[in-house]
Amino acid sequence: GQQVMQIPQYQHVQEGEDFTTYCNSSTTLSNIQWYKQRPGGHPVFLIQLVKSGEVKKQKRLTFQFGEAKKNSSLHITATQTTDVGTYFCAGPSDRIFGNEKLTFGTGTRLTIIP
Amino acid sequence: NAGVTQTPKFRVLKTGQSMTLLCAQDMNHEYMYWYRQDPGMGLRLIHYSVGEGTTAKGEVPDGYNVSRLKKQNFLLGLESAAPSQTSVYFCASSYLVQGGGTEAFFGQGTRLTVV
Repeated sequence: GQQVMQIPQYQHVQEGEDFTTYCNSSTTLSNIQWYKQRPGGHPVFLIQLVKSGEVKKQKRLTFQFGEAKKNSSLHITATQTTDVGTYFCAGPSDRIFGNEKLTFGTGTRLTIIP
Repeated sequence: NAGVTQTPKFRVLKTGQSMTLLCAQDMNHEYMYWYRQDPGMGLRLIHYSVGEGTTAKGEVPDGYNVSRLKKQNFLLGLESAAPSQTSVYFCASSYLVQGGGTEAFFGQGTRLTVV
């Protein structure tokens, strides 16, 4: 079945440094989504990418979808303490009845050193 | 709107006991999911449903059963709990967005400990 891997598993950065997490799928994805989970919280949707090579920005966050639609990245510029949490990518595993079931990556846990 | 509500939030079970986790959503979403989250393992799909009366197996379905008798509710059952089922369980619901993707809304989670 489809596998979605993320690297790194953990990342510790000084406040103000940049952060990047990478997501790789074993199969081509029709779309990819990113979620953030704060410590003790639940995953919250950030964004969805659909087109090959697509780049989207949300303030200090930049999301990219690879040309082959098998990989994606999330880059945070000048991290802040509010960025602490685990970032997950998610992609559809199957298309059944026209829908997708979401397969989540293993996540990257970001901690910030003040 | 309450969004996605899970009950209970915490539970301790003894090995062999049974229980049902309830997920309710008030967004009229077609699709609902149950995930478990373990340290270093991310979110793993247990079962999912694409509509009322339909369910399907995810990545780790063994030891769990589900039912979707009403569109707004998705129940996860453990017939005979085992320590390996100690985990945080998340329910999610979703709908189709333009382009074919699916934005998922999550409940607050249920922390289950099996002793």
